[in-house]
Amino acid sequence: QSVLTQPPSVSAAPGQEVTIFCSGRFSNIGNNPVSWYQHLPGTAPKLLIYENNKRPSGIRDRFSGSKSGTSATLGITGLQTGDEGDYYCGAWDSSLGAGVFGGGTRLTVL
Amino acid sequence: QVTLKESGPVLVKPTETLTLTCTVSGFSLSDVKMGVSWIRQSPGKALEWLAHIFSNDEKSSTASLRSRLTISEDPSKSQVVLTITNVDPVDTGAYYCARTVDFYYYMDVWGEGTTVTVSS
Repeated sequence: QSVLTQPPSVSAAPGQEVTIFCSGRFSNIGNNPVSWYQHLPGTAPKLLIYENNKRPSGIRDRFSGSKSGTSATLGITGLQTGDEGDYYCGAWDSSLGAGVFGGGTRLTVL
Repeated sequence: QVTLKESGPVLVKPTETLTLTCTVSGFSLSDVKMGVSWIRQSPGKALEWLAHIFSNDEKSSTASLRSRLTISEDPSKSQVVLTITNVDPVDTGAYYCARTVDFYYYMDVWGEGTTVTVSS
């Protein structure tokens, strides 16, 4: 069971938007920055968001992140079929002294 | 360009020791702001953080594997090595190494991963 909690799946139609939630505790999300990763089939995970809401170079502004208290969200607008895959939140957990990930959310673009 | 590449055996027998190597380029393992993490994904499961190492020899590993896991680095070879002893079929999966940014703690560049099967 993952330390960070995510919904197992979300779905929406092409062009629509989705929000993926990530819930944790003070020791991880509450006290440390959150990052988000996209894991498409057959590829390596890719960093989408770091420091809660920053996008690396090359990541389009269709992807956004936010954090409030012990929860974080990833927003994706203008959904494309190429966005289908798994999305993970991650953070450092100060109590565990370890990196932690969420259980992953499978995005389906109908 | 920053790249990381994992290498190691494809098949390992139960109770044996698994040794995986991450060879990096485009950055130095001596950079105080950067480290390397290992993450794995067992079939049908989520990403699982295993361990990290930073240039000041700061290491950390997941509690569930701490007794079997060792992480080390050889900056002269630009390599980070992960060793898991006494492997079990549950250790089967894809293993990734990723450059990890200190303080803000995120993995900004990932290797392609290497798949390991533990089976007799």
